[in-house]
Amino acid sequence: DADVTQTPRNRITKTGKRIMLECSQTKGHDRMYWYRQDPGLGLRLIYYSFDVKDINKGEISDGYSVSRQAQAKFSLSLESAIPNQTALYFCATSDSRTGGYTEAFFGQGTRLTVV
Amino acid sequence: AQSVTQLGSHVSVSEGALVLLRCNYSSSVPPYLFWYVQYPNQGLQLLLKYTSAATLVKGINGFEAEFKKSETSFHLTKPSAHMSDAAEYFCAVSRGGYNKLIFGAGTRLAVHP
Repeated sequence: DADVTQTPRNRITKTGKRIMLECSQTKGHDRMYWYRQDPGLGLRLIYYSFDVKDINKGEISDGYSVSRQAQAKFSLSLESAIPNQTALYFCATSDSRTGGYTEAFFGQGTRLTVV
Repeated sequence: AQSVTQLGSHVSVSEGALVLLRCNYSSSVPPYLFWYVQYPNQGLQLLLKYTSAATLVKGINGFEAEFKKSETSFHLTKPSAHMSDAAEYFCAVSRGGYNKLIFGAGTRLAVHP
């Protein structure tokens, strides 16, 4: 089983609809992130969270919101989806207890298409 | 502000040839640098990371990267390409206490027979 699980893996939705992407992890990590991948742009940070009570905006948070329901769960919502939110979305985790700058562990991604 | 530039969005090599993927960073403080690989329809997997312990870093699958402060570079190399190396490769720098990653635009590596 994957350590970082994203659901759904693929989703097509209509403009204006609300949609939630879910992420759960079994790694016991405290930090969680949502990234968006677009061709030619790499990955860009949408939101990140240090723990359940800590939520922070990343570089492209407009049009998105998140919820950290538990240490292991971090959901991303698009309140009113628009076509330019069509992208590949990744959830990632890292562990602050290892000290320094440790690597992030990524889920397999959710491919979202807004029509 | 920190940023990452990957030169060449597409690189094509022959099987058995040297792989060289370029990454330059800008950072006002000593950086922590990473190379990730993304195979088709998969998430990102760490290849290697530089955290100031050694300038030549060895990673998985025969890849290595050398940190050159004077050139602000962290190029990824592999002596002999294999067909299974075909993927997209991302260079990233870590920023801030939350270990936020700043990614380059990526380089897609094609390996042909």
